[in-house]
Amino acid sequence: DQQVKQNSPSLSVQEGRISILNCDYTNSMFDYFLWYKKYPAEGPTFLISISSIKDKNEDGRFTVFLNKSAKHLSLHIVPSQPGDSAVYFCAADIQGAQKLVFGQGTRLTINP
Amino acid sequence: DVKVTQSSRYLVKRTGEKVFLECVQDMDHENMFWYRQDPGLGLRLIYFSYDVKMKEKGDIPEGYSVSREKKERFSLILESASTNQTSMYLCASTPGGLNYEQYFGPGTRLTVT
Repeated sequence: DQQVKQNSPSLSVQEGRISILNCDYTNSMFDYFLWYKKYPAEGPTFLISISSIKDKNEDGRFTVFLNKSAKHLSLHIVPSQPGDSAVYFCAADIQGAQKLVFGQGTRLTINP
Repeated sequence: DVKVTQSSRYLVKRTGEKVFLECVQDMDHENMFWYRQDPGLGLRLIYFSYDVKMKEKGDIPEGYSVSREKKERFSLILESASTNQTSMYLCASTPGGLNYEQYFGPGTRLTVT
């Protein structure tokens, strides 16, 4: 039973354009969400997070949007750069549990 | 910078062998985790530990055990390796409290033949 779902296994975007990665969740108890980026042969690295009390969090080129009623979050990357090519995982947590539940990942490819 | 290291990047073992995967973190983090990553399945939690000598089962603990004798070290043990345990294994740690960000090691690619 996949509580966190990333329904797009892959996404291809032209350099300079916006990349939008989507994530859906089913457990209404989740109250903290994170995005991780993973290059081949490396561990995931933290990118950006959002608490359920917010609907948007921005950090440079990266913005995460949370729609609690739809149980949906998205990561926007503007402008996309070749170094952004990686696998992106969304993850969710229940406050105090310290146990992240990860989605399946989306492979983002930025084309020159 | 937090550093999480894993004992091997690549490992090849035979079916039935006992396998030890070691993970060490250098930032005095309370919590440590073991995941496996498989294509199309994302990261799945095997075991985690909130403190020395404490362990909790994750979502897929069958066939695995763990040991945490020291705060900085968390070991994953495959008692009798099987081919369906061929995977990328990732270790992570967090300080605990309200900090949810997990810091990951580089991973160990285990192949069981």
